[in-house]
Amino acid sequence: QTVVTQEPSFSVSPGGTVTLTCGLSSGSVSASYYPSWYQQTPGQPPRTLIYNTYSRSSGVPDRFSGSILGNKAALTITGAQADDESDYWCVLYMGSGTFVFGTGTKVTVL
Amino acid sequence: EEQLVESGGGLVKPGGSLRISCAASGFSFSFFTMNWVRQTPGKGLEWVSSISSSNDHIYYADSVKGRFTISRDNAKNSLFLQMNSLRAEDTAVYYCARRLTYWYFDLWGRGTLVTVSS
Repeated sequence: QTVVTQEPSFSVSPGGTVTLTCGLSSGSVSASYYPSWYQQTPGQPPRTLIYNTYSRSSGVPDRFSGSILGNKAALTITGAQADDESDYWCVLYMGSGTFVFGTGTKVTVL
Repeated sequence: EEQLVESGGGLVKPGGSLRISCAASGFSFSFFTMNWVRQTPGKGLEWVSSISSSNDHIYYADSVKGRFTISRDNAKNSLFLQMNSLRAEDTAVYYCARRLTYWYFDLWGRGTLVTVSS
């Protein structure tokens, strides 16, 4: 069973920078997994932030950026704001039409 | 405005069945691959199933294979998930999501809650 791992939580100061990662239980994440990232606040559906590793979804501020760092996909928030306090989920495309969501990261801005 | 609205959730006993729906509006539904994604209370998101625009490619997560059936009615701009042999661990909010090229979900509904309990 494939497990996609994320840090359980991160804390960042307002204006600070934080990098979340998305790794595979076995193997490396590459662009061929088409990593995407989603932001979710309580009671709301996920909101698409990043797709195809680097591309920002429409309307997403440029303080959000995606990359591959080493053997993981990464989401960096540069200049964090209070309303960035959310849960963040990565998703990897595993082929054959199937996807695996990461375990999620809760980001606190304080 | 592009929109997805789920319905049909509710309380069902273990072993029971339920059919949930997703109504699409504001875009050409028949052109897109559609998905179901679920979120267990206070926990994570899980991809459940996918159906291509013309019904020729259908996929399921191992956790629901053989119990759930995804379908769509392009004439009615609707997506469905028939859930049989429900278990307590199927309790979740079920989201309908549109999938775009580059294998990501760009449009989400607000979800419908399915509770499996005796």
